[in-house]
Amino acid sequence: NAGVTQTPKFQVLKTGQSMTLQCAQDMNHNSMYWYRQDPGMGLRLIYYSASEGTTDKGEVPNGYNVSRLNKREFSLRLESAAPSQTSVYFCASSLTGYSNQPQHFGDGTRLSIL
Amino acid sequence: ELKVEQNPLFLSMQEGKNYTIYCNYSTTSDRLYWYRQDPGKSLESLFVLLSNGAVKQEGRLMASLDTKARLSTLHITAAVHDLSATYFCAVDQAGTALIFGKGTTLSVSS
Repeated sequence: NAGVTQTPKFQVLKTGQSMTLQCAQDMNHNSMYWYRQDPGMGLRLIYYSASEGTTDKGEVPNGYNVSRLNKREFSLRLESAAPSQTSVYFCASSLTGYSNQPQHFGDGTRLSIL
Repeated sequence: ELKVEQNPLFLSMQEGKNYTIYCNYSTTSDRLYWYRQDPGKSLESLFVLLSNGAVKQEGRLMASLDTKARLSTLHITAAVHDLSATYFCAVDQAGTALIFGKGTTLSVSS
């Protein structure tokens, strides 16, 4: 049982390059989330998708776009990477937003932008 | 806007000692989660607290929730080295997403 799978695990980009972070879950969850984690900042929500076909901005959406491709997959795109986007990115999923179950997290993508 | 504050942010403990981590939040919510993160790893769910007065225990960790005070505590009993990690509380924001505290980094030494 894989849970939440993120690819890639590590990536180095140059300023201005674009890339897409991939996330897939096999738990039949409806809701999916993208967070970034920076030292001393906890996790901050970038975008979330309450259900297939919907996406909403979180606390720090600037510079990012998302696509809920289907129920399993939720991707995060950096159109023009900036050094301030150097971070660890976590994807998470939950049964629903009001679920009594916790969110399940992937292993993270460590992204460095030079 | 929901804000979540944890304290302390850093905690150095001796093995065998007890201590409490506090999580305060600014607006009404009846769902609170505790997660553990080891260095370079993902987040692991520890506790889900769903109502006022909820108390959950697992091994040397016990979590409680007081929704009226907007306060949750994570109590560590007789700390051991294996508990060294960063602990996050997260509060549900109207069923949309979680707002995380900045985390408490716990170091247990002999």
